[in-house]
Amino acid sequence: QVQLVQSGAVVKKPGASVRVSCKSSGYTFFGYHIYWIRQVPGQGLQWLGRVDPNTGVTNYAQNFQGRVSMTSDTSISTAYMDLDSLGSDDAAVYFCARGRYVSTHVLFDFWGQGTLVTVSS
Amino acid sequence: DIQLTQSPLSLSASVGDRVTITCRASQSIGTSLNWYQQSPGKAPKLLIYLAASLQHGVPSRFSGGGSGTNFTLTINSLQPEDFATYYCQQSYRNPPMFTFGPGTKVDI
Repeated sequence: QVQLVQSGAVVKKPGASVRVSCKSSGYTFFGYHIYWIRQVPGQGLQWLGRVDPNTGVTNYAQNFQGRVSMTSDTSISTAYMDLDSLGSDDAAVYFCARGRYVSTHVLFDFWGQGTLVTVSS
Repeated sequence: DIQLTQSPLSLSASVGDRVTITCRASQSIGTSLNWYQQSPGKAPKLLIYLAASLQHGVPSRFSGGGSGTNFTLTINSLQPEDFATYYCQQSYRNPPMFTFGPGTKVDI
C-alpha cells in the first residue's frame, strides 16, 4: 500500500535551517510529484512547493522563494524539504503529499504523517 | 493570486444532519478544486477532486459540485466520524499554485 513516512519532530533555534524527509513506498516513486504543505498549529494549510523526482524540477510558492529547497533521492525513494533562516512563524507541522494528475488537474491523494518543527531559542 | 474563501467557517450539527459547505474562488478555476477532511492531529484526507469526483474509498454521503468560482461540499446524514475540519483547495497550474481555503470546522 502507498505510504509516505516523514522524519521526526525537531527543535531549531531562530536563524537555523531544517531538513524534513519523506520516504515513499508502495508505488513508483519517480512517477509522482511530491508536494510540501505546512500547518501552523490551530491554523490552515499552506502550500510551500513541489519536486518532480523524475527530473528534479521544482516549483516554490512565492512566499518561500529563496528560502526553501526541495530535492529527492530516487535510489531510496525519499524527498527532502530544506527551509533556511527559520523564524518563530515557521513553527508548524510540515506535511509531504503525493500529487496525482487527473488530466491536467492535481490532487494530493496520500499524505505523510506530518513533522512538527518547533523554533525556539 | 487566486484566493479561496469558505463559509461558514464553523458550524454545529447533529448526527444525521445534512451539511453544505461553500467555497468561493477569487477568479474562475473551472473545476480545478479538491476537498479534504482533517481530523485533529491527523493529515488531511482527500474526499473530492475535480469539484465533483468522489475519491476511491470515500463514503457516498459526501458529494461535491460547482464550477467557475462557486463550489459546494455536501455531507448527507452526518456520521460521528465526520466531525472534522474541511478544506477546499485549488490546483490552477499556470503558474503552479495550490491555495487552500481557510477551513470549515464541523462540530457537534
